[in-house]
Amino acid sequence: EPEVTQTPSHQVTQMGQEVILRCVPISNHLYFYWYRQILGQKVEFLVSFYNNEISEKSEIFDDQFSVERPDGSNFTLKIRSTKLEDSAMYFCASTLRDRGNYGYTFGSGTRLTVV
Amino acid sequence: DAKTTQPPSMDCAEGRAANLPCNHSTISGNEYVYWYRQIHSQGPQYIIHGLKNNETNEMASLIITEDRKSSTLILPHATLRDTAVYYCIVRVARANAGKSTFGDGTTLTVKP
Repeated sequence: EPEVTQTPSHQVTQMGQEVILRCVPISNHLYFYWYRQILGQKVEFLVSFYNNEISEKSEIFDDQFSVERPDGSNFTLKIRSTKLEDSAMYFCASTLRDRGNYGYTFGSGTRLTVV
Repeated sequence: DAKTTQPPSMDCAEGRAANLPCNHSTISGNEYVYWYRQIHSQGPQYIIHGLKNNETNEMASLIITEDRKSSTLILPHATLRDTAVYYCIVRVARANAGKSTFGDGTTLTVKP
């Protein structure tokens, strides 16, 4: 069964450093998402992406965050200057279409630890 | 998107059916009901979705009331591996945007 692949599985970074989280969505999917989950808290929406542009973003997704689909297969989330409170699991998801007919396929996540 | 209400936790005996309720009394006509689950800290896993008809797949059944104000996810023969947080999400069908908003969900514990 097709999978959404996320790398790395765990990243430790120093506060103030830039990090790039990588995702390879399912190949024929068209809609892409990033979510995050701080330990013990809810899964929170960050951003959705379609047709090479952001469709929707949450209040969390401020100027420190950016997304990119650089080569038609990878989908990346960049955090420019990490803060301690960015420590969380980050999940990438994709779906074939976004008309209520298809569920999302999530990756297994990247655990980001900011020290 | 409409708000959902789920019990915070439920127990189920292994091998028995697990019936997980969800209330979505403010659901609108173009909103679907989706169910996901999250096992420990893994990524959420899509289970099933429906608009107004009952649905069944290899994982579960979804029963939606006629007025669409509530639904029940049924795991027919729960196993220990079904222990997870189950999320009921209502989401509008929209062509190029839309997010799934995860609430607190129901923590289902399957006991031997």
